[in-house]
Amino acid sequence: DARVTQTPRDKVTEMGQEVTMRCQPILGHNTVFWYRQTMMQGLELLAYFRNRAPLDDSGMPKDRFSAEMPDATLATLKIQPSEPRDSAVYFCASGLIPGPGNTIYFGEGSWLTVV
Amino acid sequence: QKEVEQNSGPLSVPEGAIASLNCTYSDRGSQSFFWYRQYSGKSPELIMFIYSNGDKEDGRFTAQLNKASQYVSLLIRDSQPSDSATYLCAGNTGFQKLVFGTGTRLLVSP
Repeated sequence: DARVTQTPRDKVTEMGQEVTMRCQPILGHNTVFWYRQTMMQGLELLAYFRNRAPLDDSGMPKDRFSAEMPDATLATLKIQPSEPRDSAVYFCASGLIPGPGNTIYFGEGSWLTVV
Repeated sequence: QKEVEQNSGPLSVPEGAIASLNCTYSDRGSQSFFWYRQYSGKSPELIMFIYSNGDKEDGRFTAQLNKASQYVSLLIRDSQPSDSATYLCAGNTGFQKLVFGTGTRLLVSP
């Protein structure tokens, strides 16, 4: 059963600490997205990669956020230093684009709380 | 203006009725559109996608696309309490990135 795997599922951290979230996309998918979801803003696109190359990270606060894809099986999203306003659910999604419907599939999310 | 807009709801319908969820988009370069369902505390899951003008049916779900009006809708026939969730509309822009609306919360009462 192919699925996107994210770690950690839950993270509580103190303001100022570094947070790293990891994502393993579905094998064979060439595009990986990072989204952040809050009640107020909904699902916001932070960054995405195609064939491991970053295509767009304009949705990401550059001073504290960074996204990388060191290999085809791992994408990372780092926040340093973290702030309470970063508390949200962070979703990774992957897809084969172009492909059938250009559909993407979501991981279960990383629930981040910064206190 | 957000690229994809939805009414946040909640939309309340009785069991067995048709639920109609709507979405508008601003980027005329958007090629395909998606409806995802998200239960509270869970991740979005794909219901269906559409890229041609007109209707596309899949079981109890029908997606409708009108590119001239930049309008997408999802109809759920014979609504069930288990359909109660937030429905997210998304558009695939010319850069092939998926942009989501904020979602419409649907409540189906028994």
